[in-house]
Amino acid sequence: DAKTTQPPSMDCAEGRAANLPCNHSTISGNEYVYWYRQIHSQGPQYIIHGLKNNETNEMASLIITEDRKSSTLILPHATLRDTAVYYCIVRLLSGGYQKVTFGIGTKLQVIP
Amino acid sequence: ETGVTQTPRHLVMGMTNKKSLKCEQHLGHNAMYWYKQSAKKPLELMFVYSLEERVENNSVPSRFSPECPNSSHLFLHLHTLQPEDSALYLCASSQTSGGRTDTQYFGPGTRLTVL
Repeated sequence: DAKTTQPPSMDCAEGRAANLPCNHSTISGNEYVYWYRQIHSQGPQYIIHGLKNNETNEMASLIITEDRKSSTLILPHATLRDTAVYYCIVRLLSGGYQKVTFGIGTKLQVIP
Repeated sequence: ETGVTQTPRHLVMGMTNKKSLKCEQHLGHNAMYWYKQSAKKPLELMFVYSLEERVENNSVPSRFSPECPNSSHLFLHLHTLQPEDSALYLCASSQTSGGRTDTQYFGPGTRLTVL
């Protein structure tokens, strides 16, 4: 799986959009971009994933650049409950089970 | 119950104890995983079961012994652990079919403290 690079920490004001960047310059054509988050001492929670097109669900939006070398997770109206570590992962969906490799992620602090 | 559940949520044990962690998934998945997360370290994959067969053992010491009796249940048996084994142990599941593996969903974890 390709490596990803994320800033170690970010702050965001409550009610504002949180934009979390991720670089994955070595991503291959059939690797997906996945985002998870982990609230302190809980299990990682799946947020969203995508291949080429931008994706949106009830939790967030995922913007993938045209060259697919970077992406941005957008939380449109951050709340205090969004304070967590956010992990960006790239992985194949083919080839049987997948070893999901988590880096150190971005610690997002939502400030009142 | 929905999703992936883990019991107990917290466990304190001595180095000579034997205990087991339990994971149950209610998602109809056919692959299950054990991960270890130590303080300030990334998640480490320990074991993978696909279709109830162990397909990966990521150089885990033998004091950790997994068991997957069916596709919905996964256990991690613990014996003669060391204090450095204190960590958050996470279970996950996913669906693998036709050579494709979908999203992994995680349980809430078991916080283990070894005294």
